[in-house]
Amino acid sequence: NAGVMQNPRHLVRRRGQEARLRCSPMKGHSHVYWYRQLPEEGLKFMVYLQKENIIDESGMPKERFSAEFPKEGPSILRIQQVVRGDSAAYFCASTTTSGIYNEQFFGPGTRLTVL
Amino acid sequence: QKEVEQNSGPLSVPEGAIASLNCTYSDRGSQSFFWYRQYSGKSPELIMSIYSNGDKEDGRFTAQLNKASQYVSLLIRDSQPSDSATYLCAVNGEYGNKLVFGAGTILRVKS
Repeated sequence: NAGVMQNPRHLVRRRGQEARLRCSPMKGHSHVYWYRQLPEEGLKFMVYLQKENIIDESGMPKERFSAEFPKEGPSILRIQQVVRGDSAAYFCASTTTSGIYNEQFFGPGTRLTVL
Repeated sequence: QKEVEQNSGPLSVPEGAIASLNCTYSDRGSQSFFWYRQYSGKSPELIMSIYSNGDKEDGRFTAQLNKASQYVSLLIRDSQPSDSATYLCAVNGEYGNKLVFGAGTILRVKS
C-alpha cells in the first residue's frame, strides 16, 4: 500500500511568487490534515479537509493561504505572495475517517524555501 | 502555558538502557495521545497511540497515560543507536481532529 504522497519534496520560490503543495492521502483515506513545521519549532496544525469540504481551518493564516481537497485529485495547499517567513516544512497527514481516535499518518513533507 | 509540554533534551542514554520520555498536556478534555518519532530532515512516524489510563506495550515501546495528572510518557527498552531521534508527543482534543504537538524531546543513544 502506498503511503501518503506529497510533491514536490523541495520547492524554492522567490518572494512574491506562489507556492502550490500537493498531497495524496493513503489509499482508502478521505481525510487530510496539513501541518507546518518552522525551523527549530514544533508541528502546528493548519487545516483539516474532507473531500470538497474544509472542516477546520483554525490554524491557517488569515491571508495568502488557502487549501482545497477536490472530489478528484490531490489536496492542495496554496500560498500566495510568499515571504521568507513561509520557509518551512509542510506535512500532510491522512486518516480513514473522522474522530479523535484516528491515527494520522504523515507524508514525507514539502520543504519550502523562500529566497 | 503551552498546551503540550516536553523537555527538549537532549536526553542521553547508553545503548541497552531504558529511555524515559515525558509529556504533559493542559486540556483536560483530551481523549487520545500519540507518540511520533522524527529523524532529522524526515517526517513524523507514528510509533504509539494510547487512549485509556494505564500502560500499552508494543515491542520495546511502552506508552503510559495518567489522565488525572495529565501526563503521558514513553519508555523505550533496550535503547539502540537507531532510536536516536526527536520524539514528539501529540494530543487530540475533545472536539476536533487536529493534533497538538509538543516541541519534542531529542534522544541520543550512545554506543
